[in-house]
Amino acid sequence: DAKTTQPPSMDCAEGRAANLPCNHSTISGNEYVYWYRQIHSQGPQYIIHGLKNNETNEMASLIITEDRKSSTLILPHATLRDTAVYYCIVRVDQGSGNTGKLIFGQGTTLQVKP
Amino acid sequence: ETGVTQTPRHLVMGMTNKKSLKCEQHLGHNAMYWYKQSAKKPLELMFVYNFKEQTENNSVPSRFSPECPNSSHLFLHLHTLQPEDSALYLCASSQDVGERVGYTFGSGTRLTVV
Repeated sequence: DAKTTQPPSMDCAEGRAANLPCNHSTISGNEYVYWYRQIHSQGPQYIIHGLKNNETNEMASLIITEDRKSSTLILPHATLRDTAVYYCIVRVDQGSGNTGKLIFGQGTTLQVKP
Repeated sequence: ETGVTQTPRHLVMGMTNKKSLKCEQHLGHNAMYWYKQSAKKPLELMFVYNFKEQTENNSVPSRFSPECPNSSHLFLHLHTLQPEDSALYLCASSQDVGERVGYTFGSGTRLTVV
């Protein structure tokens, strides 16, 4: 699975959009981009995933560049409860609906401030 | 509550003790996973079970012994652990190992080996 690079930490003001970048320059055509977050002392929580199109759900938006070498997770109106470690993971699609295991990196610690 | 329940939440054990961690899900998922999260380290995948069969063991020492009696329950039996085994142990489940939507994690068991 391709390696991802994320900034170790970021701050965001409450109510503003949080934009979390991720570089995955060695991503392959059959690898999906996943985002999870882990609030202190809890298990990771799935946020969103995508292959090449931008995706949006009730939690966040995922913007993937056209060359797929980087992506940005957007939390449109960050709240204090969004303070967490955010993980960007690329995960291979082995075909026939079979994807590879979920391997976590160090992630980005997002601190939302009042 | 995520639908994946881990017990106990906290455990302190001596190096000569034998204890077990329990994970339970009633999400109808067929794949279950054990992860280890040591302080200031990324999550490490330990074991993967699919339809009760172990499909992956990531070179985990034999003092950790998993058991999956059915698709809803996963145990991690611990014996003669070392202080460096102190960590947050996380259980996760997914519809199957090829699940694209994502894993559901429990809140973890915080293990301290003294």
